[in-house]
Amino acid sequence: GQQLNQSPQSMFIQEGEDVSMNCTSSSIFNTWLWYKQDPGEGPVLLIALYKAGELTSNGRLTAQFGITRKDSFLNISASIPSDVGIYFCAGLTGGTSYGKLTFGQGTILTVHP
Amino acid sequence: EAGVAQSPRYKIIEKRQSVAFWCNPISGHATLYWYQQILGQGPKLLIQFQNNGVVDDSQLPKDRFSAERLKGVDSTLKIQPAKLEDSAVYLCASSFSRSDPIQETQYFGPGTRLLVL
Repeated sequence: GQQLNQSPQSMFIQEGEDVSMNCTSSSIFNTWLWYKQDPGEGPVLLIALYKAGELTSNGRLTAQFGITRKDSFLNISASIPSDVGIYFCAGLTGGTSYGKLTFGQGTILTVHP
Repeated sequence: EAGVAQSPRYKIIEKRQSVAFWCNPISGHATLYWYQQILGQGPKLLIQFQNNGVVDDSQLPKDRFSAERLKGVDSTLKIQPAKLEDSAVYLCASSFSRSDPIQETQYFGPGTRLLVL
C-alpha cells in the first residue's frame, strides 16, 4: 500500500527557532495536507495544498507541494511553546473520486521556553 | 459550528469482550470515516461511508470489526471480540462530500481511547 515517510521523527528546539519537517512518498498524491495533533485530541488541519509547486502560508506556517507530487515540507517560523505537539503529513488520492487519506508517522515537536 | 462528537472518550475492556464507539459528524457532512491510531503511528483508515453506504472498507478486519451508519448521520464502530492489539485511539472524521479536494477536507473528532487488557 501507499506509505509516507515523514522526517524527522522528533525535534527538540528552543523557543524562537525555526522548524522544518518533510514528507516523501513513492506514490503520487493529488492533495497534501498537514495536521497537528495535541495530546488527547484528534488531528487538526493546518494547511492544505492542492497543486504541484504550490506554496501556502498560514500565519507562521508555510508548506509546499512538491513538483513531483511525491513530497511536501512544512516550516514553522519563530516557534512558541504552544507549537508543541505531533505534526502529521497526509496525502489524498482520488481527487474527484473516492479520496483516501494516507498519513505519515508523525513528527513530535518539543519547544523549550 | 459544532465539531465531530465521539463517545465514550475512554474505554477499558478485557480481551474477548465487545465494545462499541459512537460518532456524530458535523451537520451536513455526507462522508464519514473511522480511523485507528496505534500509539506512535499516524491514523489508518478503517472504513469510509458516503451517506449510509460503505465506499471503502478494505482495511477493516471484518472478522471482528463492524460499522454502520444506518440513517446517514451517526455511526457506530463495534469490535467483537476484542484482542490486545486493538488497543488504540479510534478517530472519527467527516467531510462535506467527495466531489472535489476542498470539500473532501476531513475534520476529526477527539477520539476514543481503547485499552484492551
